[in-house]
Amino acid sequence: GAGVSQTPSNKVTEKGKYVELRCDPISGHTALYWYRQSLGQGPEFLIYFQGTGAADDSGLPNDRFFAVRPEGSVSTLKIQRTERGDSAVYLCASSSSGTSGSSADTQYFGPGTRLTVL
Amino acid sequence: RKEVEQDPGPFNVPEGATVAFNCTYSNSASQSFFWYRQDCRKEPKLLMSVYSSGNEDGRFTAQLNRASQYISLLIRDSKLSDSATYLCVVNIRGGNTGKLIFGQGTTLQVKP
Repeated sequence: GAGVSQTPSNKVTEKGKYVELRCDPISGHTALYWYRQSLGQGPEFLIYFQGTGAADDSGLPNDRFFAVRPEGSVSTLKIQRTERGDSAVYLCASSSSGTSGSSADTQYFGPGTRLTVL
Repeated sequence: RKEVEQDPGPFNVPEGATVAFNCTYSNSASQSFFWYRQDCRKEPKLLMSVYSSGNEDGRFTAQLNRASQYISLLIRDSKLSDSATYLCVVNIRGGNTGKLIFGQGTTLQVKP
């Protein structure tokens, strides 16, 4: 079946601009996660949705970052007034329930959006 | 101090070699542990979970030492296709739910 998809695959923007990154989770997955990965580093947690609500947004670095998931499926990560330091690969993941605590509740990652801020 | 620390490598080994990666984690409340594999410019994929009793999946063996807060991955009979970055991952909650904390990753290059 279809995996997690993310659009665009690449985004180049100028410092100060606004960007939106989209994630389509695996159909039926109720939990959705955003991470970002800088070059040479592991992914860093940003925010986690259970259904429509943000269950944990402790990883959002500042108030320029915001994410929504209005219908409990597709999610959009929004970055205002982009800075060069925001350049990274933004990864989205989904899992089937996100509540069971079962080791079988695997997070499946999408291919990411590579954001470059000039 | 990083929450999950790994030696970034690279580890360069010949085909057929046995190679071991280690990582340490700082939060003693961590409950679940994983190794993920990430190929160049691709997304991370779950390789295996790590259990206190140790677990094996084919050529891969994972070990957890809670007292030392230390996780290991052993790869036997390395293949060219094992070349990738291996990410050590912990979760304060049980299972794969919620926030995963990733290490920097260890790069493995298997040479013919």
